[in-house]
Amino acid sequence: NAGVTQTPKFQVLKTGQSMTLQCAQDMNHEYMSWYRQDPGMGLRLIHYSVGAGITDQGEVPNGYNVSRSTTEDFPLRLLSAAPSQTSVYFCASSGGLAGGGIQYFGAGTRLSVL
Amino acid sequence: KNEVEQSPQNLTAQEGEFITINCSYSVGISALHWLQQHPGGGIVSLFMLSSGKKKHGRLIATINIQEKHSSLHITASHPRDSAVYICAEGGSQGNLIFGKGTKLSVKP
Repeated sequence: NAGVTQTPKFQVLKTGQSMTLQCAQDMNHEYMSWYRQDPGMGLRLIHYSVGAGITDQGEVPNGYNVSRSTTEDFPLRLLSAAPSQTSVYFCASSGGLAGGGIQYFGAGTRLSVL
Repeated sequence: KNEVEQSPQNLTAQEGEFITINCSYSVGISALHWLQQHPGGGIVSLFMLSSGKKKHGRLIATINIQEKHSSLHITASHPRDSAVYICAEGGSQGNLIFGKGTKLSVKP
Protein backbone atom coordinates (compact mmCIF):
# COMPACT_ATOMS: atom_id res chain seq x y z
CA ASN A 1 0.00 0.00 0.00
CA ALA A 2 1.29 3.47 -0.88
CA GLY A 3 -0.91 5.22 1.74
CA VAL A 4 -1.37 8.92 0.94
CA THR A 5 0.54 10.17 -2.08
CA GLN A 6 1.06 13.86 -2.77
CA THR A 7 2.51 15.33 -5.93
CA PRO A 8 4.54 17.31 -6.64
CA LYS A 9 6.98 17.40 -3.69
CA PHE A 10 8.26 20.86 -4.62
CA GLN A 11 6.85 23.62 -6.81
CA VAL A 12 7.77 27.20 -7.62
CA LEU A 13 5.10 29.44 -9.10
CA LYS A 14 4.91 33.02 -10.22
CA THR A 15 2.23 35.29 -8.79
CA GLY A 16 -1.01 34.83 -10.69
CA GLN A 17 -0.29 31.33 -11.97
CA SER A 18 -2.69 28.51 -11.19
CA MET A 19 -1.86 24.95 -10.32
CA THR A 20 -3.27 21.78 -8.80
CA LEU A 21 -1.74 19.86 -5.92
CA GLN A 22 -2.59 16.20 -6.23
CA CYS A 23 -3.52 13.89 -3.37
CA ALA A 24 -4.44 10.24 -3.70
CA GLN A 25 -5.05 7.52 -1.11
CA ASP A 26 -5.38 3.79 -1.63
CA MET A 27 -6.94 2.86 1.72
CA ASN A 28 -10.58 3.44 0.72
CA HIS A 29 -10.87 6.21 3.33
CA GLU A 30 -14.01 8.32 3.38
CA TYR A 31 -12.40 11.36 4.95
CA MET A 32 -9.73 13.55 3.38
CA SER A 33 -8.33 16.95 4.30
CA TRP A 34 -5.89 19.60 3.13
CA TYR A 35 -3.74 21.56 5.58
CA ARG A 36 -1.09 24.20 5.23
CA GLN A 37 1.83 24.62 7.62
CA ASP A 38 3.53 27.96 8.12
CA PRO A 39 6.34 28.82 10.57
CA GLY A 40 4.91 29.93 13.92
CA MET A 41 1.33 29.18 12.84
CA GLY A 42 1.07 25.43 13.08
CA LEU A 43 -1.11 23.41 10.74
CA ARG A 44 -4.34 24.98 9.53
CA LEU A 45 -7.25 23.32 7.78
CA ILE A 46 -7.98 24.54 4.25
CA HIS A 47 -10.74 22.21 3.00
CA TYR A 48 -11.98 18.77 3.89
CA SER A 49 -14.25 16.08 2.47
CA VAL A 50 -16.41 13.48 4.22
CA GLY A 51 -16.99 11.45 1.07
CA ALA A 52 -17.11 11.56 -2.72
CA GLY A 53 -19.06 14.61 -3.87
CA ILE A 54 -19.00 16.29 -0.44
CA THR A 55 -16.55 19.03 0.53
CA ASP A 56 -16.50 21.80 3.09
CA GLN A 57 -14.36 24.77 4.01
CA GLY A 58 -11.88 24.82 6.84
CA GLU A 59 -10.17 27.67 8.63
CA VAL A 60 -8.30 29.22 5.65
CA PRO A 61 -10.18 28.37 2.41
CA ASN A 62 -9.73 31.62 0.47
CA GLY A 63 -7.78 31.25 -2.76
CA TYR A 64 -8.21 27.46 -2.86
CA ASN A 65 -10.69 25.18 -4.56
CA VAL A 66 -11.32 21.46 -4.08
CA SER A 67 -13.48 18.72 -5.51
CA ARG A 68 -13.92 15.04 -4.66
CA SER A 69 -15.16 13.13 -7.65
CA THR A 70 -13.76 9.79 -6.45
CA THR A 71 -13.01 8.28 -3.04
CA GLU A 72 -9.31 8.06 -3.90
CA ASP A 73 -8.50 11.58 -5.08
CA PHE A 74 -8.78 15.00 -3.47
CA PRO A 75 -6.97 17.65 -5.53
CA LEU A 76 -6.34 21.18 -4.24
CA ARG A 77 -6.43 23.97 -6.81
CA LEU A 78 -4.76 27.33 -6.41
CA LEU A 79 -6.76 29.65 -8.62
CA SER A 80 -4.33 32.60 -8.84
CA ALA A 81 -1.24 32.06 -6.73
CA ALA A 82 -0.13 34.76 -4.29
CA PRO A 83 3.08 35.04 -2.22
CA SER A 84 0.92 34.53 0.91
CA GLN A 85 0.28 30.99 -0.32
CA THR A 86 3.95 30.08 0.04
CA SER A 87 3.74 27.22 2.50
CA VAL A 88 4.05 23.48 3.00
CA TYR A 89 0.83 21.68 2.13
CA PHE A 90 -0.22 18.36 3.64
CA CYS A 91 -3.01 16.08 2.57
CA ALA A 92 -4.44 13.57 5.07
CA SER A 93 -7.00 10.80 5.04
CA SER A 94 -8.87 8.86 7.70
CA GLY A 95 -11.12 5.85 7.86
CA GLY A 96 -13.08 7.48 10.68
CA LEU A 97 -13.97 5.67 13.89
CA ALA A 98 -13.77 2.33 12.09
CA GLY A 99 -10.06 2.99 11.66
CA GLY A 100 -9.54 4.21 15.22
CA GLY A 101 -9.61 7.81 14.07
CA ILE A 102 -6.00 7.59 12.88
CA GLN A 103 -5.02 10.28 10.38
CA TYR A 104 -2.63 9.32 7.58
CA PHE A 105 -0.58 12.17 6.14
CA GLY A 106 1.11 12.56 2.81
CA ALA A 107 4.76 13.62 2.67
CA GLY A 108 3.86 17.23 1.86
CA THR A 109 4.27 19.66 -1.01
CA ARG A 110 6.61 22.61 -0.52
CA LEU A 111 5.25 25.53 -2.56
CA SER A 112 6.98 28.84 -3.20
CA VAL A 113 5.13 31.70 -4.91
CA LEU A 114 7.39 34.44 -6.22
CA LYS B 1 -13.72 28.51 17.39
CA ASN B 2 -11.71 26.25 19.62
CA GLU B 3 -8.29 27.37 20.74
CA VAL B 4 -5.67 24.69 21.25
CA GLU B 5 -2.66 25.65 23.35
CA GLN B 6 0.45 23.57 23.92
CA SER B 7 3.22 23.89 26.44
CA PRO B 8 6.10 24.06 26.51
CA GLN B 9 7.00 25.37 23.04
CA ASN B 10 10.50 23.91 23.29
CA LEU B 11 11.81 21.16 25.52
CA THR B 12 15.33 19.79 25.92
CA ALA B 13 15.86 16.59 27.89
CA GLN B 14 18.63 14.16 28.67
CA GLU B 15 18.32 10.60 27.44
CA GLY B 16 16.34 8.51 29.89
CA GLU B 17 14.27 11.36 31.32
CA PHE B 18 10.49 11.23 31.69
CA ILE B 19 8.89 13.86 29.46
CA THR B 20 5.49 15.53 29.66
CA ILE B 21 3.92 17.74 27.00
CA ASN B 22 0.68 19.52 27.78
CA CYS B 23 -2.30 20.51 25.64
CA SER B 24 -5.36 22.53 26.64
CA TYR B 25 -8.41 23.53 24.65
CA SER B 26 -11.10 26.11 25.20
CA VAL B 27 -14.42 24.40 24.41
CA GLY B 28 -15.75 20.87 24.50
CA ILE B 29 -14.37 18.48 21.92
CA SER B 30 -15.25 15.14 20.39
CA ALA B 31 -11.69 13.83 20.44
CA LEU B 32 -8.09 14.88 20.79
CA HIS B 33 -5.21 13.77 18.60
CA TRP B 34 -1.49 13.60 19.25
CA LEU B 35 0.84 13.62 16.26
CA GLN B 36 4.58 13.51 15.75
CA GLN B 37 6.40 15.47 13.05
CA HIS B 38 9.85 14.15 12.25
CA PRO B 39 12.80 16.46 11.51
CA GLY B 40 12.37 15.54 7.84
CA GLY B 41 8.80 16.89 7.91
CA GLY B 42 6.72 13.72 7.84
CA ILE B 43 3.70 13.61 10.16
CA VAL B 44 2.60 10.48 11.98
CA SER B 45 -0.54 10.06 14.05
CA LEU B 46 0.21 8.73 17.56
CA PHE B 47 -3.14 8.69 19.35
CA MET B 48 -6.75 9.70 19.12
CA LEU B 49 -8.56 9.75 22.46
CA SER B 50 -11.82 11.03 23.80
CA SER B 51 -11.50 9.84 27.41
CA GLY B 52 -9.09 8.22 29.84
CA LYS B 53 -5.68 7.05 28.78
CA LYS B 54 -3.95 5.25 25.92
CA LYS B 55 -0.51 3.65 25.83
CA HIS B 56 1.71 2.58 22.97
CA GLY B 57 5.21 1.46 23.82
CA ARG B 58 6.90 4.26 25.76
CA LEU B 59 4.20 6.78 24.87
CA ILE B 60 1.21 7.48 27.10
CA ALA B 61 -1.58 9.95 26.36
CA THR B 62 -4.16 11.07 28.89
CA ILE B 63 -7.16 13.36 28.68
CA ASN B 64 -9.26 15.09 31.34
CA ILE B 65 -12.50 16.18 29.72
CA GLN B 66 -13.66 18.26 32.70
CA GLU B 67 -10.41 20.23 32.83
CA LYS B 68 -10.12 20.43 29.01
CA HIS B 69 -6.56 19.17 29.20
CA SER B 70 -4.48 16.40 27.71
CA SER B 71 -0.92 15.27 28.29
CA LEU B 72 1.55 13.23 26.28
CA HIS B 73 4.18 11.40 28.32
CA ILE B 74 7.34 9.75 27.03
CA THR B 75 9.06 7.33 29.39
CA ALA B 76 12.79 6.54 29.16
CA SER B 77 13.31 9.15 26.44
CA HIS B 78 15.79 8.49 23.64
CA PRO B 79 17.43 10.77 21.05
CA ARG B 80 15.25 9.19 18.37
CA ASP B 81 12.21 10.73 20.15
CA SER B 82 13.47 14.17 19.05
CA ALA B 83 10.66 15.63 16.97
CA VAL B 84 7.82 18.15 17.09
CA TYR B 85 4.78 16.85 18.96
CA ILE B 86 1.45 18.34 17.98
CA CYS B 87 -1.95 18.08 19.59
CA ALA B 88 -5.14 18.70 17.63
CA GLU B 89 -8.81 18.67 18.50
CA GLY B 90 -11.45 17.23 16.23
CA GLY B 91 -13.23 14.01 15.46
CA SER B 92 -12.23 11.14 13.29
CA GLN B 93 -13.32 12.91 10.09
CA GLY B 94 -10.13 14.95 9.77
CA ASN B 95 -11.32 18.54 10.22
CA LEU B 96 -8.75 19.20 12.92
CA ILE B 97 -7.67 22.33 14.78
CA PHE B 98 -4.01 22.15 15.77
CA GLY B 99 -1.80 23.49 18.47
CA LYS B 100 1.48 25.06 17.40
CA GLY B 101 3.56 22.11 18.49
CA THR B 102 6.24 21.33 21.06
CA LYS B 103 9.77 20.87 19.74
CA LEU B 104 11.49 18.14 21.75
CA SER B 105 15.22 17.55 21.68
CA VAL B 106 16.63 14.58 23.59
CA LYS B 107 20.40 14.70 24.18
CA PRO B 108 22.47 11.53 24.54
